[in-house]
Amino acid sequence: QQQVKQSPQSLIVQKGGIPIINCAYENTAFDYFPWYQQFPGKGPALLIAIRPDVSEKKEGRFTISFNKSAKQFSLHIMDSQPGDSATYFCAAQGRGSTLGRLYFGRGTQLTVWP
Amino acid sequence: DGGITQSPKYLFRKEGQNVTLSCEQNLNHDAMYWYRQDPGQGLRLIYYSQIVNDFQKGDIAEGYSVSREKKESFPLTVTSAQKNPTAFYLCASSIDPRRGTEAFFGQGTRLTVV
Repeated sequence: QQQVKQSPQSLIVQKGGIPIINCAYENTAFDYFPWYQQFPGKGPALLIAIRPDVSEKKEGRFTISFNKSAKQFSLHIMDSQPGDSATYFCAAQGRGSTLGRLYFGRGTQLTVWP
Repeated sequence: DGGITQSPKYLFRKEGQNVTLSCEQNLNHDAMYWYRQDPGQGLRLIYYSQIVNDFQKGDIAEGYSVSREKKESFPLTVTSAQKNPTAFYLCASSIDPRRGTEAFFGQGTRLTVV
């Protein structure tokens, strides 16, 4: 059972566009929601993360929106650039049976055309 | 430089052979993880360890084994029982497995069965 569901699987935007990637979860024990960015042949790296006590977090051109009641969170990339072309993974971690584990979505392959 | 080192970067295995993937970290992190990445499947957890001399199975542990004899090392053995071992393997670590913290990834090992 997929603990974190991510969509879309792939996304193509023009430079300057605002790609949005969505994730949903069911387990209310989750209390940490990071996004990772991965370039081909490399390991993922943390991009931005949020905890459920806030509804939005912004770091540079990257923003996480969090809806606790809907159990959904999303990544927005403002003024997207060709260098943002990568695979993005959302994830969730929390208490109880999920302690110590990160559950990942299946990833979104983003392509930004110049 | 602090970080996670995976070796080798590329590995070829004949059918029926066991192979061991190395993962070393000098971040003084307690928790270490092994993930398998296949196209369109995201990151699937194989094994994780929250403390030396202790580890837990993840979602796809069959055909794999691990050890955690030292804090900085978490080698993964892909046994001949793993029927489809060709994949990209990622090792990660985090400072505190009891709460949400950044996971740092290595650069991966690409295993191919020949």
